[in-house]
Amino acid sequence: DTAVSQTPKYLVTQMGNDKSIKCEQNLGHDTMYWYKQDSKKFLKIMFSYNNKELIINETVPNRFSPKSPDKAHLNLHINSLELGDSAVYFCASSQLDRSSYEQYFGPGTRLTVT
Amino acid sequence: AQSVTQLDSQVPVFEEAPVELRCNYSSSVSVYLFWYVQYPNQGLQLLLKYLSGSTLVESINGFEAEFNKSQTSFHLRKPSVHISDTAEYFCAVSNFGNEKLTFGTGTRLTIIP
Repeated sequence: DTAVSQTPKYLVTQMGNDKSIKCEQNLGHDTMYWYKQDSKKFLKIMFSYNNKELIINETVPNRFSPKSPDKAHLNLHINSLELGDSAVYFCASSQLDRSSYEQYFGPGTRLTVT
Repeated sequence: AQSVTQLDSQVPVFEEAPVELRCNYSSSVSVYLFWYVQYPNQGLQLLLKYLSGSTLVESINGFEAEFNKSQTSFHLRKPSVHISDTAEYFCAVSNFGNEKLTFGTGTRLTIIP
């Protein structure tokens, strides 16, 4: 059973298009995240949702809009894609309590903008 | 604000030799520390973590890391590496009561047969 899954795994699109990446977790966690990993492997958090409420919103262009329909899903919609958006996007989830701060990561979505 | 520094971007090591991957952090408050591993074309997996208690933490596959508060370090070590340890290793920090993870830039561990 996949704990954190993302679709699609690969996404190739042209500049100016709008695309979405979906994430689902079956761990029963209450918090989900989106990270961006650039070509140099640097990982940076973009957003975090706790019980469908946005709790972390880093300095991300407003072309990026996360949506959490329920605790188990966190989707990422990107408008007007740019070349610099090419990266691997990772979804993660965790349960916020004092006993564990472990985040579980999905396999990633490699986005290529041409 | 918190930050993580991994000074070594690449570390080549002969098989069965020991290895140390360095991690230093900066934070004005108490921290939790993590090492994540990313195998080629995969997502990140938690290797080990320090939350409290014993400053020496171990993973199931022979890695260990020691939290050193005075040196603000959390170096990762393994006494004898294997080909299967080839991966990218990320050190990360979060503050007490804050779930935001800040990652270092990663260290690519390459095992030489």
